[in-house]
Amino acid sequence: QKEVEQNSGPLSVPEGAIASLNCTYSDRGSQSFFWYRQYSGKSPELIMFIYSNGDKEDGRFTAQLNKASQYVSLLIRDSQPSDSATYLCAVRVNNDMRFGAGTRLTVKP
Amino acid sequence: DAGITQSPRHKVTETGTPVTLRCHQTENHRYMYWYRQDPGHGLRLIHYSYGVKDTDKGEVSDGYSVSRSKTEDFLLTLESATSSQTSVYFCAISESPGQETQYFGPGTRLLVL
Repeated sequence: QKEVEQNSGPLSVPEGAIASLNCTYSDRGSQSFFWYRQYSGKSPELIMFIYSNGDKEDGRFTAQLNKASQYVSLLIRDSQPSDSATYLCAVRVNNDMRFGAGTRLTVKP
Repeated sequence: DAGITQSPRHKVTETGTPVTLRCHQTENHRYMYWYRQDPGHGLRLIHYSYGVKDTDKGEVSDGYSVSRSKTEDFLLTLESATSSQTSVYFCAISESPGQETQYFGPGTRLLVL
């Protein structure tokens, strides 16, 4: 079992819809949870992070964390074609950051 | 990518040759990391550094060595490159391991023939 699992996609949504990206992790000692966006051929860039159970909102993005279920998700509201990218889930355990393989999102105009 | 550069950006080499990749930062961050990214595996940590001359192994360190003689530079060396080391290599920096943002460099595409 991979430490951080994501559906590789591709996930396709129409412009203006809500995109829902999911991630599960195996280590119950995981402390912090991150979502990165990576455009093709570019480096990852941080979208947001979350520590505590519940929701955290930042503009069109909402991260949701459920530690009991070892599940973290990212919702993108009003999806735009510019949101088309690969989204990486990452989990910090002590000093180690473990990344999922990413979910490729395509937003169709 | 601001404040972090990687060189070279692209490299083609032959099996068995040594290769050194350089990461340079202007942010004065203490922590630096080398990752490799391969399809289906995501980013995997190779080595990291928590200060000048202080380094430690990551998840996939076999076949790689690192050095950090100055705060701003972190070198990754493949002593004898193999085809399995064909990958995209990213350097990242952070102020501390508990600091939540790792900033990534632009990456180096390495092809080992």
